[in-house]
Amino acid sequence: AQSVTQLGSHVSVSEGALVLLRCNYSSSVPPYLFWYVQYPNQGLQLLLKYTTGATLVKGINGFEAEFKKSETSFHLTKPSAHMSDAAEYFCAVSFPSQGNLIFGKGTKLSVKP
Amino acid sequence: GAGVSQSPSNKVTEKGKDVELRCDPISGHTALYWYRQSLGQGLEFLIYFQGNSAPDKSGLPSDRFSAERTGGSVSTLTIQRTQQEDSAVYLCASRGHLATAYNEQFFGPGTRLTVL
Repeated sequence: AQSVTQLGSHVSVSEGALVLLRCNYSSSVPPYLFWYVQYPNQGLQLLLKYTTGATLVKGINGFEAEFKKSETSFHLTKPSAHMSDAAEYFCAVSFPSQGNLIFGKGTKLSVKP
Repeated sequence: GAGVSQSPSNKVTEKGKDVELRCDPISGHTALYWYRQSLGQGLEFLIYFQGNSAPDKSGLPSDRFSAERTGGSVSTLTIQRTQQEDSAVYLCASRGHLATAYNEQFFGPGTRLTVL
């Protein structure tokens, strides 16, 4: 069965520090990969996605993620955290044979001043 | 419209009552999804509409849940005989005309349902 695992339900970093949010997937076929961000009381907003081609994907707000097939991972990074990055981040996958997204359980990012 | 809209934003109901949640997708989007976000379960897929095709109902948790999409646009999610475990945020998303799984889904702000 296909699944997405996000390591760490809560991550706390200091402002200016590196952000690393981990995502691993389980699938017999390569999926399409997504990171979404959810600010309090708002819907989900797409940060970035990987479909084909270059495995390092750049998204909005300075975030990027690298697809590593051998590790079945799609970790999200940002070199320098900003207070406005505090939110919940969801990793998700989809497949050509189905339309819906399969989400990880989310990681809440806190940024300390 | 400018984005996906959902109504109501908040709904409080009593156990056993029926509720209807509405989703207005982005104009012209042919695909529409319902997801449920709850504390214990994270984000779960409920149902998917694509154009005029039969909907994919594989994520509906019980036969108390149903959804329809009229005229290929607005969708209504109905929960009959609500239970306390139905309390969650119900999110709607729509996707553009290309029937490809990697195209971005645009999410609405959600309806927070509380069943007392």
